[in-house]
Amino acid sequence: GQQVMQIPQYQHVQEGEDFTTYCNSSTTLSNIQWYKQRPGGHPVFLIQLVKSGEVKKQKRLTFQFGEAKKNSSLHITATQTTDVGTYFCAGAGGNTPLVFGKGTRLSVIA
Amino acid sequence: NAGVTQTPKFRILKIGQSMTLQCTQDMNHNYMYWYRQDPGMGLKLIYYSVGAGITDKGEVPNGYNVSRSTTEDFPLRLELAAPSQTSVYFCASSHGAGPYEQYFGPGTRLTVT
Repeated sequence: GQQVMQIPQYQHVQEGEDFTTYCNSSTTLSNIQWYKQRPGGHPVFLIQLVKSGEVKKQKRLTFQFGEAKKNSSLHITATQTTDVGTYFCAGAGGNTPLVFGKGTRLSVIA
Repeated sequence: NAGVTQTPKFRILKIGQSMTLQCTQDMNHNYMYWYRQDPGMGLKLIYYSVGAGITDKGEVPNGYNVSRSTTEDFPLRLELAAPSQTSVYFCASSHGAGPYEQYFGPGTRLTVT
């Protein structure tokens, strides 16, 4: 079945440093979504990418969808303590339920 | 709108007991999902439903049952609880499959001892 792999599993950064998490699928995706889960909280939708090579920005967050629609990345510029949490990518191959990656847990040291 | 609500927030079960986790959404979403999240791990799909009366298995359905008699409600039943079912359970809903964002409930933290 479809698998979505995410690296790294953990990332510790100093406040102000940049952070990137990568997501790779075993199959071509029709779309990819990113979610953020704060410690003790529930996943919250951040963004969806649909087009090959698509790049979207939300303030300090930049999301990319690969040309082959099999990989994606989330980059945070100048991390802040409010960025702490686990970031999940989730992909769908069509009209099927999303498959979530295992997530990248981000710690930000002030 | 309350979004997706789940009850209870916490529960401790003894091995072999049964319980039902409740999930309700008020967004008139067709799709509803149950996930479990083990400590430090990702989300694993247990069951999902594409509409009232229709359910399907996800990645880890064993030991669970679901029903969907209304659009709003999607309860998850645990029969004969086992320690391996200790986890945080999230219910989610979406307008459709694929390119629709999922809205998650606050979760139920279940411990089986």
